[in-house]
Amino acid sequence: AQSVAQPEDQVNVAEGNPLTVKCTYSVSGNPYLFWYVQYPNRGLQFLLKYITGDNLVKGSYGFEAEFNKSQTSFHLKKPSALVSDSALYFCAVRALMDSSYKLIFGSGTRLLVRP
Amino acid sequence: EAQVTQNPRYLITVTGKKLTVTCSQNMNHEYMSWYRQDPGLGLRQIYYSMNVEVTDKGDVPEGYKVSRKEKRNFPLILESPSPNQTSLYFCASRLGLARSTDTQYFGPGTRLTVL
Repeated sequence: AQSVAQPEDQVNVAEGNPLTVKCTYSVSGNPYLFWYVQYPNRGLQFLLKYITGDNLVKGSYGFEAEFNKSQTSFHLKKPSALVSDSALYFCAVRALMDSSYKLIFGSGTRLLVRP
Repeated sequence: EAQVTQNPRYLITVTGKKLTVTCSQNMNHEYMSWYRQDPGLGLRQIYYSMNVEVTDKGDVPEGYKVSRKEKRNFPLILESPSPNQTSLYFCASRLGLARSTDTQYFGPGTRLTVL
C-alpha cells in the first residue's frame, strides 16, 4: 500500500539548535515528495518539494529536506530553529491511485521550539 | 492576491441540518479537492475534481457531496450532517495534473462542529 509515515507526534527543540522532522514513504514508481506547514488557525502552506535531481532540496523559511532513496525517507531539517517555527508539519507523497494522482499525507508532527 | 477562500470559517450545527461549505480559487486551477483533518490521522481526501463537471470520490466520501459547475468554485455539501463529521475541513487547488504543477494551495480551513 502507498503511504507516508511520520513516526514522531511531537518534536521538541531549543531555539538555535538544529531540528529534524522525520518522514518515510512507500510508493510505486518515482516518488514526488512534499512538506507542508500549518500554523495555528491557518491552512497548510507549501514548504518544499522533491521531484527529481539533487537529493537536498531547499525551501521556504530556511528549511531543507534530504531525499534518501535507499532509506525511503524525506526528512525535514533546519540548521537553527526559531520559536516562530513552532507549528504542525505534514509530509506528503504523490501517488497514482485509481488512474489519477493524489497526495497522501502523513499524520503530522508538531514542532515545539522553546526559547 | 492568488488564494483559496472558504466560507464559513467556523460553523456549529445540529444533526441532520443540511449545510454547504463554499470554496473558491482565483488561480484558474483545474484541480480542486476537499480534505478533512482529524487528530492523528493527518489529511484525508473527501472528493476531488479534475475539471468542470468532473468529480470523483476520495478516500472518505461517505456523507458528502460536491459539485463543480464553474472552474473557480467547488462547494462541499453535507446533506444530513452527523457528529462524526465534526472536523477541520480544507479546500485545495492546483493547476493541473502534470508533474510540474503538483504544488497544492490550501484554503484557511473550516472548523465544523455537528451536535
